[in-house]
Amino acid sequence: EAQVTQNPRYLITVTGKKLTVTCSQNMNHEYMSWYRQDPGLGLRQIYYSMNVEVTDKGDVPEGYKVSRKEKRNFPLILESPSPNQTSLYFCASSPERLGGYQPQHFGDGTRLSIL
Amino acid sequence: AQSVTQLGSHVSVSEGALVLLRCNYSSSVPPYLFWYVQYPNQGLQLLLKYTSAATLVKGINGFEAEFKKSETSFHLTKPSAHMSDAAEYFCAVSVRGYQKVTFGTGTKLQVIP
Repeated sequence: EAQVTQNPRYLITVTGKKLTVTCSQNMNHEYMSWYRQDPGLGLRQIYYSMNVEVTDKGDVPEGYKVSRKEKRNFPLILESPSPNQTSLYFCASSPERLGGYQPQHFGDGTRLSIL
Repeated sequence: AQSVTQLGSHVSVSEGALVLLRCNYSSSVPPYLFWYVQYPNQGLQLLLKYTSAATLVKGINGFEAEFKKSETSFHLTKPSAHMSDAAEYFCAVSVRGYQKVTFGTGTKLQVIP
């Protein structure tokens, strides 16, 4: 089954404790992206990647890191999480490198709470 | 730059009534437009997309949307609401050759029995 898998689905942690949210897709997609969803703000893009070893900032990259060492994986790293990063996070992928024409496939989300 | 505006963060309709969710876009070049649906505790799923072919686009679950360039709109409609349509709906815009997709702030649809 074609899917985007995120782990964990839920995480409660404390300020400053490094964490990683994993994202994996089995569709051989070129484009991958991370979004955060906050009430009243919709989805805002954090980082995206058009290919292995190619990543770039989205609209709200501060406090986040990503890497794309393999085509299928695109982890999101919070090196020193803060309470304002409490949010619902989505990973998405698309077959098109430039990400504009084809729709994106979304994971089920990761709800992070930073205390 | 591209942007999208969804009018109404919450919309309530009676079961069987017309559903109309509004989306207006801004783009300096011809856009691609999408509607996604998000059910509770799930990711977003594609409902339909406009990519410069027919201006009236039919999607899944009986939804459709019409691209109106003169009004810069891409409103989502369904003739008869069903209880299972209760969800949050997002409009999104992108342009050819550009990697960024911009999402609206979402509209939560409530269907009243």
